Amino acid sequence: SYTLTQPPSVSVSPGQTATITCSGDELGDRYACWFQQKPGQSPVLIIYQDYKRPSGIPERFSGSNSGNTATLTISGTQPLDEADYYCQAWDSSTAVFGGGTKLTVL
Amino acid sequence: EVQLVESGGGLVQRGGSLRLSCAGSGFAFNSYYMTWVRQAPGGGLEWVANINQDGSEKLYVDSVKGRFSISRDNAKNSLFLQMSGLRADDTAVYFCARESPYCSGDKCYLPGSFDIWGQGTMVAVSS
Repeated sequence: SYTLTQPPSVSVSPGQTATITCSGDELGDRYACWFQQKPGQSPVLIIYQDYKRPSGIPERFSGSNSGNTATLTISGTQPLDEADYYCQAWDSSTAVFGGGTKLTVL
Repeated sequence: EVQLVESGGGLVQRGGSLRLSCAGSGFAFNSYYMTWVRQAPGGGLEWVANINQDGSEKLYVDSVKGRFSISRDNAKNSLFLQMSGLRADDTAVYFCARESPYCSGDKCYLPGSFDIWGQGTMVAVSS
């Protein structure tokens, strides 16, 4: 079965750039999405089709996808960006999520 | 306002059954694929099942095949997940989500992205 691998945790200082990776076999040949989930809340779509942002998502969130790695970049990270982040892609007709990355802003 | 609201969760004994519901509003419910995703306590997200616009196509993750059944009632803007043979590892918050197609130019493709999520409903299976 297809697997997406994320680092369990990433730390960043306020105002700096956070980078979260998602690795999967030939992931660049598929579209990747990213979700943000804060404690006790539902996931929120923040990046789709590799790099597109839904309406209302700040420009500091950006995405890319090439080769075996999709990347979520948060520029000028703010304390309110502290959350769990999940990547997702499709394997045939099955949705696959990465294990999630806890972003700590300190 | 585009919204999804789940209901029907609760505590059930191992081997028991439960039916989850998801009510959609603020969008053309019958135009979208719909999905169930679950999250075990302290765990990550796991896709469970999805259904196409008219309910004729359904897909499931291997771990629930033969035990769970997804369905919809477009007249009532509702999505359902009938769960039977429940196991301890089915314990999770269950989210319904709308699936929007990927579009490039004037062409759109499915499967797409989960762009709207409900607040979730908790299912706890006791042994």
